[in-house]
Amino acid sequence: ILNVEQSPQSLHVQEGDSTNFTCSFPSSNFYALHWYRWETAKSPEALFVMTLNGDEKKKGRISATLNTKEGYSYLYIKGSQPEDSATYLCAFIDFRDDKIIFGKGTRLHILP
Amino acid sequence: GAVVSQHPSWVICKSGTSVKIECRSLDFQATTMFWYRQFPKQSLMLMATSNEGSKATYEQGVEKDKFLINHASLTLSTLTVTSAHPEDSSFYICSASLSGAGSSYEQYFGPGTRLTVT
Repeated sequence: ILNVEQSPQSLHVQEGDSTNFTCSFPSSNFYALHWYRWETAKSPEALFVMTLNGDEKKKGRISATLNTKEGYSYLYIKGSQPEDSATYLCAFIDFRDDKIIFGKGTRLHILP
Repeated sequence: GAVVSQHPSWVICKSGTSVKIECRSLDFQATTMFWYRQFPKQSLMLMATSNEGSKATYEQGVEKDKFLINHASLTLSTLTVTSAHPEDSSFYICSASLSGAGSSYEQYFGPGTRLTVT
């Protein structure tokens, strides 16, 4: 059974501080890793699609790195703002069958 | 960005009845649509993948006769929960993609449907 783990499960960060969290996935049969942001009462929204080992992607204050050999990806948020409060999901795509496995998410709360 | 709608957003039905949920890509043609289910405090669980004009591919443990999926056009997929039971109560969410899951295309999610079976 393939396992995708996200940690921490929940995180409280003071507004203005920077933070990061982790997605761990199987290091074999890697095809792609997706990051999504899911705000309450909205649809999950794609942040990054990462495919190559060593990938670093950035969108505004949010960035992500990828290490496929050791099976982890970090998501960084610089200078957290209230609008960053959301659940951040990662999804591992298996090379063999395009199987998609989501982690349980990291629930981020930005404190004013 | 690409928009995906789902209808209804919530539904309450009696045990034994069937419920149909629609998923539409509003401004793009979705080659592939996915259906997920989310249990409380759990992650999104992929139920099935459907490509337009072909039969859906169901994940292990998902009953294809209970969860009927139809992807008749590039903009519409439907999930019908047949003979619903209280244990089918859950949050169902669909997504659409320009290509398969393993492509570089991200998925665009609908807002989800909350199903309660009484």
